[in-house]
Amino acid sequence: QVQLVQSGTEVKKPGASVRVSCKASEYTFNNYYIHWVRQAPGQGLEWMGIIDPSGGGTSYAQKFQGRVTMTRDTSTTTVYMELSSLRSDDTAVYYCARDRRAKVQGPDAFDVWGHGTVVTVSS
Amino acid sequence: EVVLTQSPATLSLSPGDRATLSCRASQSVSTYLAWYQLKPGQAPRLLIYDASNRATGIPARFSGSGSGPDFTLTISSLEPEDFAVYYCQQRSNRPPTWTFGQGTKVEIK
Repeated sequence: QVQLVQSGTEVKKPGASVRVSCKASEYTFNNYYIHWVRQAPGQGLEWMGIIDPSGGGTSYAQKFQGRVTMTRDTSTTTVYMELSSLRSDDTAVYYCARDRRAKVQGPDAFDVWGHGTVVTVSS
Repeated sequence: EVVLTQSPATLSLSPGDRATLSCRASQSVSTYLAWYQLKPGQAPRLLIYDASNRATGIPARFSGSGSGPDFTLTISSLEPEDFAVYYCQQRSNRPPTWTFGQGTKVEIK
């Protein structure tokens, strides 16, 4: 079945960077946008950005502009999210999620989610 | 930037009850409104897209309605597995961005 498998737990110090991976399988990788969403402890869901796996084009939430970079490797059907200059309030579960609609139809809602990657930022 | 306000923050109900969750947008929005269910330790689950369409595999007791700015998620008869936090989500077009509401927790009374 369609699946997104994320990398494991990360513990980082303030000021460091973290890169989370998300490997897609059982669908045509290039045909569906991938989003990144996070949830801090006790908080709600927060959209971070979107990547087009075929061309690599991205759009980021204004809050993360300058600190987040989303990339992809089509040969391994994997997308990556790198967040730099980490602070304690970046401690969260980070999810990748596939858009529900094929690219040609335009992005919409998120129907397949990874299991989440816990990132803890602590000195 | 569109702000989504969900109400109530917490809904205390019993199995078999009807749950009505609201989501209000701060400005007129399209019908690109989705609802998700989130349980501790699990990934979010898409329930409703385009305001009123059930996602694949979602039971018929879940229904969505409304148009900008007011949307509603209704669970007709709560099952034990439905006690969770529910989020609405909206897409803006220029530039493409997505916003979530702050969530409504449906808890067992």
